[in-house]
Amino acid sequence: SAVISQKPSRDICQRGTSLTIQCQVDSQVTMMFWYRQQPGQSLTLIATANQGSEATYESGFVIDKFPISRPNLTFSTLTVSNMSPEDSSIYLCSARKGLADYEQYFGPGTRLTVT
Amino acid sequence: EDKVVQSPLSLVVHEGDTVTLNCSYEVTNFRSLLWYKQEKKAPTFLFMLTSSGIEKKSGRLSSILDKKELFSILNITATQTGDSAVYLCAVEASGGGFKTIFGAGTRLFVKA
Repeated sequence: SAVISQKPSRDICQRGTSLTIQCQVDSQVTMMFWYRQQPGQSLTLIATANQGSEATYESGFVIDKFPISRPNLTFSTLTVSNMSPEDSSIYLCSARKGLADYEQYFGPGTRLTVT
Repeated sequence: EDKVVQSPLSLVVHEGDTVTLNCSYEVTNFRSLLWYKQEKKAPTFLFMLTSSGIEKKSGRLSSILDKKELFSILNITATQTGDSAVYLCAVEASGGGFKTIFGAGTRLFVKA
């Protein structure tokens, strides 16, 4: 298994500012992902965080708005840039040990409110 | 476009009832289908299904996949108030990358 922690757990930010969310896994994992879950909705994949290279973004998400870093096999960050109220959401970090391990582990989420 | 559709979106039952949650999907390069339970924050893994017709069972929960009809169901028997949660269906797709697509979820409320 893998235990994932995220910081901060929640934040209230002003529009136009940026917030960086940290994700730490207690063991090395092959894949890390960032999801967004807006109120009452399901999880939407933002991007796959690739170690040592640029993240792979899903349609509708761009690097300038959601820059992602993944410096090693246990850590990743997601920045929400130039925030607007529409960015208010829960942001979840997720990881998988490898393609042969089907279980996908999730962090507790970061609840972001933009005013 | 890949998609996962769950039904019903919400459900209210009484303790002891049996419920069936549905999940249909359209994805290219299907790899597996997963069910998660989400109570407050992070989803927790329930089942992973890759083959048609093979039931996965864990206590009062069971699930089965039909790859021909692109469909899965999650059954919960003798429901308890602790089963109240959002149940998420997700499909893994591979090829040109790897990703998991989530359905909107079914919100289940079990009344005492």
